[in-house]
This record gives sequence, structure tokens and C-alpha cells, in this order.
Amino acid sequence: QITLKESGPTLVKPTQTLTLTCTFSGFSLSTSGVGVGWIRQPPGKALEWLALIYWNDDKRYSPSLKSRLTITKDTSKNQVVLTMTNMDPVDTATYYCARVLMVYAILWFDPWGQGTLVTVSS
Amino acid sequence: EIVMTQSPATLSVSPGERATLSCRASQSVSSNLAWYQQKPGQAPRLLIYGASTRATGIPARFSGSGSGTEFTLTISSLQSEDFAVYYCQQYNNWPITFGQGTRLEIK
Repeated sequence: QITLKESGPTLVKPTQTLTLTCTFSGFSLSTSGVGVGWIRQPPGKALEWLALIYWNDDKRYSPSLKSRLTITKDTSKNQVVLTMTNMDPVDTATYYCARVLMVYAILWFDPWGQGTLVTVSS
Repeated sequence: EIVMTQSPATLSVSPGERATLSCRASQSVSSNLAWYQQKPGQAPRLLIYGASTRATGIPARFSGSGSGTEFTLTISSLQSEDFAVYYCQQYNNWPITFGQGTRLEIK
């Protein structure tokens, strides 16, 4: 069974840095074609992809947020960490991590973690 | 950035009827398209990848079609558990982008 779970603060102040951890089980991030991605969803709004990291440590970021994001992995701990700097109230959202599978250049997210709601407020 | 446009925003259908959801890409994404279902308070669930391949455990009443810029998700006979929000997602060009969603509600 594959599971992912996000953890981190539920409340951050404007200008602070958010650090979220995705802890997963049931797959290895050293397997070819496997990655972990982060996606967020503001309350009542659509999904927005943020970043992903592949088994070979290749990293991809949303261009609109690239300057604020860093994604890293710890394969031995089965964890992926996302940091987002200079948080703003518009960053209030549920943050999801998900396993990424890439086969013959087709990529999809499956499964997803339960998500963690992060509120940005002073 | 490729913009994914889903229509309609809300679709009202009676249980047992067929639902057809559309997703249009601002430029070709080949068959690099996935569909997700999201119920209130839950994480999205993968339904379809590669535009037409059902994910593991997804009932046969869900089908995907299309390529290039026009895609369709069809639910052949709606069950009560199918009423949810559906998102399309492309991976053909970075960045990965999602549509704004179609809410499928009970008529």
C-alpha cells in the first residue's frame, strides 16, 4: 500500500518561510521513473502545481514561484521537503504531496496525501 | 504556459444518466493528459492518465478520450458517489497545469 502524508505548521506569519515535509511509504524514490510532487489548493479554488523532484534528483519548479521554492529529498528517510520563502496571505491553501509516475513521457500524480491546510496570517 | 480550460463549470445530471466533461488545451498536449476526481474534504484521486487509460481500480463507467487540444471525460451511468469536482492536468510542457475544474452535481 502506498501512502503519503504531509506535515508542517498550520499557521505561518507573513514574510516567514514555510517548511513542509512529505513522508511516504510503499515506494522508493530511488526507482527510475518515480518522483514526488507538491500541489496546492486555495480554499474553494483550483489545483496549482508547485514543484517536483525525480528519483535522479532532477527538480522542476513552477516558474511563477521558482524564486521562492526549494525541493529536496532524503531517500533513506522516505521524505521530500518543500520550503517556500516570504509567505503571504495569498499562499493560504491546502498543500498536497503526491507520488509522480513518469512512463513513456506521460506523467501523473497518484496517489495523493491527505493534504495539510496552511494559513498565512499575522 | 499551457492553459487548460474545462467546460462547463457546473454540470447537473441525474443519477443513471451520462455525463460528458470537456477539457481544452491552449496548445497541443498530445496525449499527456490526466483526469482527477475530488470530493469535498478529500484529496484528488487519479481517474485517467495518458488521456484514455483508466487508473487501477477505476470503474469502467469512466472513460477518457481525445488528443491534441480537445479531451473528454465520460461517465456512462452516474452513481451517487460520482458527484464531485473533476480536474484535467497536462504534462506535455512545463509547467504542469490543471484546469479550473468542473463541478458535477445532482440534478
